Amino acid sequence: EPEVTQTPSHQVTQMGQEVILRCVPISNHLYFYWYRQILGQKVEFLVSFYNNEISEKSEIFDDQFSVERPDGSNFTLKIRSTKLEDSAMYFCASVPSGGPGNEQFFGPGTRLTVL
Amino acid sequence: QKEVEQDPGPLSVPEGAIVSLNCTYSNSAFQYFMWYRQYSRKGPELLMYTYSSGNKEDGRFTAQVDKSSKYISLFIRDSQPSDSATYLCATPGDLGNQFYFGTGTSLTVIP
Repeated sequence: EPEVTQTPSHQVTQMGQEVILRCVPISNHLYFYWYRQILGQKVEFLVSFYNNEISEKSEIFDDQFSVERPDGSNFTLKIRSTKLEDSAMYFCASVPSGGPGNEQFFGPGTRLTVL
Repeated sequence: QKEVEQDPGPLSVPEGAIVSLNCTYSNSAFQYFMWYRQYSRKGPELLMYTYSSGNKEDGRFTAQVDKSSKYISLFIRDSQPSDSATYLCATPGDLGNQFYFGTGTSLTVIP
């Protein structure tokens, strides 16, 4: 059964460093999302992406964040200058088609630790 | 006011009990509601989704939406230890471009 994959599973970085989190959505899915979950807190929407552009972003997704689909399969989240408070689980999700009733398929997440 | 609010629990029940998990939402324009299950250090997985009001049943799970009170519920019958997880309610909102999640309710089913 196809699934969303994410790499790395755990990323440790120093404050101020850039990180790139990678996701491979399910092929033929059209909509892509990034979420984060700070330990013990709720899953928070970061950004949605469709047709090679951002369709929606939250207040969390400031200028330090960017997303890209560089090669038609990978979907990346870049954090330019990490802060301690960026430490969280980051989940990628993909959806086969538009419409609010479609299931989001989540990846296993990348745990980001900023020291 | 948050889009979706959920009692975080934790909730602990004996095996075989009926579990009731609940959320409230803020915007009467929301129509789709999902319940996700999340095991520790894993991504959420969809359990059920409902549209508008009413009930939807799938095996031991029943999802219920009461639009008049903006209240959504998930019932688990004959709960099993394998049901121990965090349950998240979610909605794509009225535009469907982003998802709003509740804080999640941690459930432990004791054998």
